[in-house]
Amino acid sequence: GIQVEQSPPDLILQEGANSTLRCNFSDSVNNLQWFHQNPWGQLINLFYIPSGTKQNGRLSATTVATERYSLLYISSSQTTDSGVYFCAVFMDSNYQLIWGAGTKLIIKP
Amino acid sequence: SQTIHQWPATLVQPVGSPLSLECTVEGTSNPNLYWYRQAAGRGLQLLFYSVGIGQISSEVPQNLSASRPQDRQFILSSKKLLLSDSGFYLCAWSVSAAFPNTIYFGEGSWLTVV
Repeated sequence: GIQVEQSPPDLILQEGANSTLRCNFSDSVNNLQWFHQNPWGQLINLFYIPSGTKQNGRLSATTVATERYSLLYISSSQTTDSGVYFCAVFMDSNYQLIWGAGTKLIIKP
Repeated sequence: SQTIHQWPATLVQPVGSPLSLECTVEGTSNPNLYWYRQAAGRGLQLLFYSVGIGQISSEVPQNLSASRPQDRQFILSSKKLLLSDSGFYLCAWSVSAAFPNTIYFGEGSWLTVV
């Protein structure tokens, strides 16, 4: 089955810094999402991005499907950006979402 | 717009007691519905999914069951809780299609079995 790997596993930054989170997948996909889980557990959709580039405020994401990776960029980090960032892909055969292990981001004031 | 709610948000239950977590979706019809469990804050495990009323698929053998009595209602249950059932449970939905695309999650329910 598809393997999804995220890096780095942990990231600690000062407020205002920029960061890049990476998601590698082992097979071609046509469905990839980025999520942010805040410290209270809420999972929030950030991007649905099977290919190309999208931007939403300080966040942007790029997926290069042919090279099997996706990047999430966070600019001018704020403490509210802290939490765990997941990428996940859908297995169309059984509705199973394959999750990366996540990147735990801590933004210090 | 579509919304998803699940409750209760937090509960502490003794071993052997029953469980009922409820999830409802508004603003869409015939959604695909899912129950996930998350342990240790990393990665989610799919427990059940449903593509229609009364249609439940289980991904892992366990002490839990799910039901979908109405189109936009999904219930996670147990007759007798085990300590190992503790965790963070998330309900989710996606547009019903041959190939699911974007999935949206509820607020989550923290279950502690004591």
